[in-house]
Amino acid sequence: AQSVTQLDSQVPVFEEAPVELRCNYSSSVSVYLFWYVQYPNQGLQLLLKYLSGSTLVKGINGFEAEFNKSQTSFHLRKPSVHISDTAEYFCAVSFGSGNTGKLIFGQGTTLQVKP
Amino acid sequence: NAGVTQTPKFQVLKTGQSMTLQCAQDMNHEYMSWYRQDPGMGLRLIHYSVGAGITDQGEVPNGYNVSRSTTEDFPLRLLSAAPSQTSVYFCAISKDRAGDEQYFGPGTRLTVT
Repeated sequence: AQSVTQLDSQVPVFEEAPVELRCNYSSSVSVYLFWYVQYPNQGLQLLLKYLSGSTLVKGINGFEAEFNKSQTSFHLRKPSVHISDTAEYFCAVSFGSGNTGKLIFGQGTTLQVKP
Repeated sequence: NAGVTQTPKFQVLKTGQSMTLQCAQDMNHEYMSWYRQDPGMGLRLIHYSVGAGITDQGEVPNGYNVSRSTTEDFPLRLLSAAPSQTSVYFCAISKDRAGDEQYFGPGTRLTVT
C-alpha cells in the first residue's frame, strides 16, 4: 500500500538553529511531493512542492527540501528558524501519473521553536 | 475572492444525529475533496470529486456521503453521527491535475457526544 511516514512527531529547536523534518514514502514509479504547514487553528498552506527537475526545491519562508529518489525521501530543512515557524508540518505525496489530485499525508511533525 | 469556505466552523452533535458540512469555492477548480484530521494521523481522504456529477471514495468513506451537483459546492453528509467521527474536517480544491497545489478551507471542528 502507498504510504507516507514522517519520522518525528515533535521537533523542539531553539530560535536561529537549523532544523530538518524528515519524510519518507513508499516507492512508486512516479511521485509528486509536497510540504504543507498548518498554523494553530488554521487550514493548511503549501510550503513547497517537487514535480520534476532539480532535486532541491525552495519554498516560502526560507524553507527548502531535497528529493532523494534512491532513499524515497523528501526532507524539509531551514538553516535558521524563527519563533513564527512554530506550527505543524505535513509531508504529502501524490502517487502515479494519473489526473487526480489525490494526496496521501504523513502523520505530521510539530515544530516547536523555543526562544 | 474567498477561495474555499466551510460552514459551520464548530458543531456539536449527539450520537445518531445527521448533519451536512458545507464547502464552497469560487476558484472554478474541478477537483474537490474532504479530509478529516485526527491527532497523530495526519489528514485522511474521505471522499473526492473530479467534477460536477462525479464522486469517489477515499481512504475512510464509511459513515459519510457526498454529492457534487455544481462546480462550486461539495457538501459532506454525516448520516448517523458516531463519537468516532469527532474530528476536524477540511475541504480542499485543486485543478485536478496531479502536482497541482491543493487549497484548503479553514476547517470545521465537529464533536459527537
